[in-house]
Amino acid sequence: DAMVIQNPRYQVTQFGKPVTLSCSQTLNHNVMYWYQQKSSQAPKLLFHYYDKDFNNEADTPDNFQSRRPNTSFCFLDIRSPGLGDAAMYLCATSRGLETSAIYEQYFGPGTRLTVT
Amino acid sequence: GNSVTQMEGPVTLSEEAFLTINCTYTATGYPSLFWYVQYPGEGLQLLLKATKADDKGSNKGFEATYRKETTSFHLEKGSVQVSDSAVYFCALSDQSDSWGKFQFGAGTQVVVTP
Repeated sequence: DAMVIQNPRYQVTQFGKPVTLSCSQTLNHNVMYWYQQKSSQAPKLLFHYYDKDFNNEADTPDNFQSRRPNTSFCFLDIRSPGLGDAAMYLCATSRGLETSAIYEQYFGPGTRLTVT
Repeated sequence: GNSVTQMEGPVTLSEEAFLTINCTYTATGYPSLFWYVQYPGEGLQLLLKATKADDKGSNKGFEATYRKETTSFHLEKGSVQVSDSAVYFCALSDQSDSWGKFQFGAGTQVVVTP
């Protein structure tokens, strides 16, 4: 089945120690997104890639970076995690971004990040 | 800007009860509307969608109708099961504003008891 895969499902890191979360997709979608979701809240968009074009949300901290080496993979790097960065991180994909159509987003299962 | 307002939870129901989750929106253009469901410890799954006024989305016994006149997209299910316990998110995407970025509501937790 075509899908969005996130690894690992659970990640524990230490305060200030860089961590990378990964996402891969077999849907061959052009757009990949990273969301942060804290307990009992809506997902908050951090950034997205449309092919290789990177788009950062205005309020995404500089501490968060992303890489997309190819269509299938996208990484979220947190350079110096703080306690406030503990959250569920969701990767999503969509077919495209067009003025004539809106495409639903497909989500991975998420990575729960704990910062100690 | 665009926004989505959902009824607050938790909503607690007995099995086989009728479920309604209210969702209203504001949008500058003509948005598409979505309901996503999130089971504990999982990502969001698309439940249903509607792309224009008066469209009805349906899936797994859930339904929602896009009502432009009341700017609403309420989710309903006639007979819930314990397995429907989850958090439900209403969302909109409007390509005339912010490239079609998704705007999610705050989510409504539903708890179904046997």
